[in-house]
Amino acid sequence: DAMVIQNPRYQVTQFGKPVTLSCSQTLNHNVMYWYQQKSSQAPKLLFHYYDKDFNNEADTPDNFQSRRPNTSFCFLDIRSPGLGDAAMYLCATSNRQATDTQYFGPGTRLTVL
Amino acid sequence: AQKITQTQPGMFVQEKEAVTLDCTYDTSDPSYGLFWYKQPSSGEMIFLIYQGSYDQQNATEGRYSLNFQKARKSANLVISASQLGDSAMYFCAMRRDMGYGNKLVFGAGTILRVKS
Repeated sequence: DAMVIQNPRYQVTQFGKPVTLSCSQTLNHNVMYWYQQKSSQAPKLLFHYYDKDFNNEADTPDNFQSRRPNTSFCFLDIRSPGLGDAAMYLCATSNRQATDTQYFGPGTRLTVL
Repeated sequence: AQKITQTQPGMFVQEKEAVTLDCTYDTSDPSYGLFWYKQPSSGEMIFLIYQGSYDQQNATEGRYSLNFQKARKSANLVISASQLGDSAMYFCAMRRDMGYGNKLVFGAGTILRVKS
């Protein structure tokens, strides 16, 4: 089945220690998104890629970076995680049409100690 | 600016009964789309149903239907014959076109609990 995969499902890191979260997709979608969802809140878009074009949301902290080496993979790098970065990180994909549905992966739950 | 409002923080429903989750929206765009997603405790966001602003008929997907009232700017989700597995957080979202792909603006969500 075509799907969006996120690894790991649970990640524990230490305050200030860089961490990378991974997302892969078999849907062959052009667009990949990263969302941050804190407890009991709605998801918040951090950035997205249309093919290799990177688009950052205006209020996304510089601490968050992303890489998309090919169509299938996208990575979220947190350079110096703070306690406030503990959250669920959701990856989603869609085709380029504005009407296309976004399909989400299972998420990575990040804990910062 | 686009805005989604879900006024029900939590809802209870008896198993096998129908339930309506409310969603109102605000936008000045003539073309827009509305989505409902389900998020179980495991965290995955599961797409349920989509309604385009120009769609003539209300969307339906199995036990899910969307009661779209454009003049009232509401897009309520109706779940028929509730099941225990329907217990989850439900988010209403509106898409904002970005020219390539789209940005989803989410409501605050409604927690649904199905009682046996």
